[in-house]
Amino acid sequence: EAGVTQFPSHSVIEKGQTVTLRCDPISGHDNLYWYRRVMGKEIKFLLHFVKESKQDESGMPNNRFLAERTGGTYSTLKVQPAELEDSGVYFCASSQSPGRTYEQYFGPGTRLTVT
Amino acid sequence: GNSVTQMEGPVTLSEEAFLTINCTYTATGYPSLFWYVQYPGEGLQLLLKATKADDKGSNKGFEATYRKETTSFHLEKGSVQVSDSAVYFCALMDSSYKLIFGSGTRLLVRP
Repeated sequence: EAGVTQFPSHSVIEKGQTVTLRCDPISGHDNLYWYRRVMGKEIKFLLHFVKESKQDESGMPNNRFLAERTGGTYSTLKVQPAELEDSGVYFCASSQSPGRTYEQYFGPGTRLTVT
Repeated sequence: GNSVTQMEGPVTLSEEAFLTINCTYTATGYPSLFWYVQYPGEGLQLLLKATKADDKGSNKGFEATYRKETTSFHLEKGSVQVSDSAVYFCALMDSSYKLIFGSGTRLLVRP
């Protein structure tokens, strides 16, 4: 079974540019989460999709971030325009169902550097 | 609000040494608790978990016990190997099923 995949693995862009990150969850997983780790600090929740619907987007930092999940399959996270403080590692995770015992499987992350 | 605090690293040990990485949490209710590990160049992997008080999670020689009275979930291993060098994250799952992580602890094991 293929794991969670993310693309690209690294992205270096200039301040003010746009970047789109992609996440492909494990097949059959309805739940998809985005997290990020900034400046070696704690990993913070961004948002949670259930199929194509946004269940919880309380962690999205501002309106420069737009997440979509077309058809309940892969998800994209667009940052427009990027700022220096957006640099960090963006992780995607998926799970079969939400719940205390259901593991969230993480992808390898996308390292974003904004210069 | 919910939060997780774990000891700052890096933690440097010699091979076969005993490992403890402290983790305490603040939460309403009794959340599930997790340890995730990130090996160099890889994504986060679930190492172990505990879903209720006094549960002990274990995997690959690592253990952690859910201590309600001290709100702790310390990670331990009796004899570390060079291959255990990684960043370890303690986390809790809140009532809306999102994970809340600590800041991570880098472990470096020297031969």
